Amino acid sequence: DADVTQTPRNRITKTGKRIMLECSQTKGHDRMYWYRQDPGLGLQLIYYSFDVKDINKGEISDGYSVSRQAQAKFSLSLESAIPNQTALYFCATSDARGQYTDTQYFGPGTRLTVL
Amino acid sequence: KQEVTQIPAALSVPEGENLVLNCSFTDSAIYNLQWFRQDPGKGLTSLLLIQSSQREQTSGRLNASLDKSSGRSTLYIAASQPGDSATYLCAVMDSSYKLIFGSGTRLLVRP
Repeated sequence: DADVTQTPRNRITKTGKRIMLECSQTKGHDRMYWYRQDPGLGLQLIYYSFDVKDINKGEISDGYSVSRQAQAKFSLSLESAIPNQTALYFCATSDARGQYTDTQYFGPGTRLTVL
Repeated sequence: KQEVTQIPAALSVPEGENLVLNCSFTDSAIYNLQWFRQDPGKGLTSLLLIQSSQREQTSGRLNASLDKSSGRSTLYIAASQPGDSATYLCAVMDSSYKLIFGSGTRLLVRP
């Protein structure tokens, strides 16, 4: 089984709908992240959480909200979806073992299309 | 604000060639630099991580170098194979533990 899972893998929705993307991890990591990737571009950070009680905005948090339900679960919500939120969304985790060696482990991604 | 740039955006080479992918960043205050591979429909896989005090890292046919003072890194792939075809992303970890990504190099290795 994958260490970082995302549901759903694909979603098509309409403008104005509320959407939730879910991420679960079995790696036991404290830190979790949500990224967005647009075609031909790198990943942009939406929100991140260093532990269950810690939530921080990333570069592009407008129009998004998150919930850290447990160490293993981090959900991303689009309150009222709009077409320019059509993108590939990735969840990631890290174990914060040391700032110089810290890397992130990524889920398979959710492809979201907003019509 | 940290910015990461990757050149070229796309690269097509015949099988067996050695190749170099380039990454540059604007702020040298980083903890590490990482290279990831992204396959279509899949997430990112970490290839190499170079700590800010290191100059290079090697894994199999891959060698990554880091020149922090000039804000540059290269990923060298030796004896390329069709299975190396993917998008390669460079990212730096900044002082607040955030990864800042480049836009990637899309590599095609032709049989």
